[in-house]
Amino acid sequence: DAKTTQPTSMDCAEGRAANLPCNHSTISGNEYVYWYRQIHSQGPQYIIHGLKNNETNEMASLIITEDRKSSTLILPHATLRDTAVYYCIVRLPGNQFYFGTGTSLTVIP
Amino acid sequence: GAVVSQHPSWVICKSGTSVKIECRSLDFQATTMFWYRQFPKQSLMLMATSNEGSKATYEQGVEKDKFLINHASLTLSTLTVTSAHPEDSSFYICSARDPSGNEQFFGPGTRLTVL
Repeated sequence: DAKTTQPTSMDCAEGRAANLPCNHSTISGNEYVYWYRQIHSQGPQYIIHGLKNNETNEMASLIITEDRKSSTLILPHATLRDTAVYYCIVRLPGNQFYFGTGTSLTVIP
Repeated sequence: GAVVSQHPSWVICKSGTSVKIECRSLDFQATTMFWYRQFPKQSLMLMATSNEGSKATYEQGVEKDKFLINHASLTLSTLTVTSAHPEDSSFYICSARDPSGNEQFFGPGTRLTVL
């Protein structure tokens, strides 16, 4: 079962930062938080992952709270091509991913 | 990032026939691959974990005799939907775990339609 909860949908204006929250209050100490996104009828695309520290790459930033019970994915300058379903996933020790419902992000022109 | 391919990208078959879907890791060796299915407007559901050289581990509620998984090499896993029925129509997606174990790379998916 998924160990994450996310808002069902969000809108963001083009060019603005998109902040996508995720709750994972039952996460264990050695479980990573992963973010993927899925554009309609395609396979999920990896965005970023982290354990304790905040992470940044060319696509996004990941902010993990100190107690690790929640995190936020930040797309710094959203574009129309960022419209997708974003999944926050807690990776289990066996490397399985149990997807939650995700957040459907719509970037508005 | 690493590339995972699936073949075919879509397939239409008659009820009662079997369909094989291939998942390949193109530029890395994957000891573990995963199979998911996704119904319209729903999230991905993990079906099974495929380990090279051993039997797959199926999630609760997934029939192992209906969804046959073979992971005979480090770059290929196959999913065979046996005696397919219309309710098996879905989007089937595979993923492969990279050697470091830190990432899963997903294939583009295979859309199965059973008439």
